[in-house]
Amino acid sequence: GAGVSQSPSNKVTEKGKDVELRCDPISGHTALYWYRQSLGQGLEFLIYFQGNSAPDKSGLPSDRFSAERTGGSVSTLTIQRTQQEDSAVYLCASSSGGIQYFGAGTRLSVL
Amino acid sequence: GQNIDQPTEMTATEGAIVQINCTYQTSGFNGLFWYQQHAGEAPTFLSYNVLDGLEEKGRFSSFLSRSKGYSYLLLKELQMKDSASYLCAVRGTNDYKLSFGAGTTVTVRA
Repeated sequence: GAGVSQSPSNKVTEKGKDVELRCDPISGHTALYWYRQSLGQGLEFLIYFQGNSAPDKSGLPSDRFSAERTGGSVSTLTIQRTQQEDSAVYLCASSSGGIQYFGAGTRLSVL
Repeated sequence: GQNIDQPTEMTATEGAIVQINCTYQTSGFNGLFWYQQHAGEAPTFLSYNVLDGLEEKGRFSSFLSRSKGYSYLLLKELQMKDSASYLCAVRGTNDYKLSFGAGTTVTVRA
């Protein structure tokens, strides 16, 4: 597609439920990133995929968070047993060089 | 680690100039980026500086001083559509991920 696509755009869930967030990167981009944007705070790095290399998971806040990238394209971020502090906008970006291009994000609300 | 500071809010008048400062303290440096983000939308790339000096792109310019750990984004001939959040981000040496400041919300008034 023309840009990075994320779905759903909004997700409301109950505390304790699992959620899956999807990211479709720009076609041909080998690098994919997930960030979290909380109110009043800067974007926080979560995880990075580059080609077939092992992902950098150093930013994942807890073992409830995991991510996959299938076929070097689409990525899914999974949050298990959601907590209220997980409420944020989750942004995906892709790049083929230095500049990262972002999707519009998924706004997650945990009630 | 990275520590990136920028003002929280700025207000300016349509047609005027606004300068958004960003200071950083990093364990390594491999470029500074500015993004624009309208509410509920994706951050969009504005500029990239890796060497000292001024980069000009139409109404937007970005400046970098590596020795001072300092950058600014200059917005000229402000338009109402420039009302948005402006994000300063730093990439560390041998590092691919970006570290972001909290963003500066610019409000343009008529």
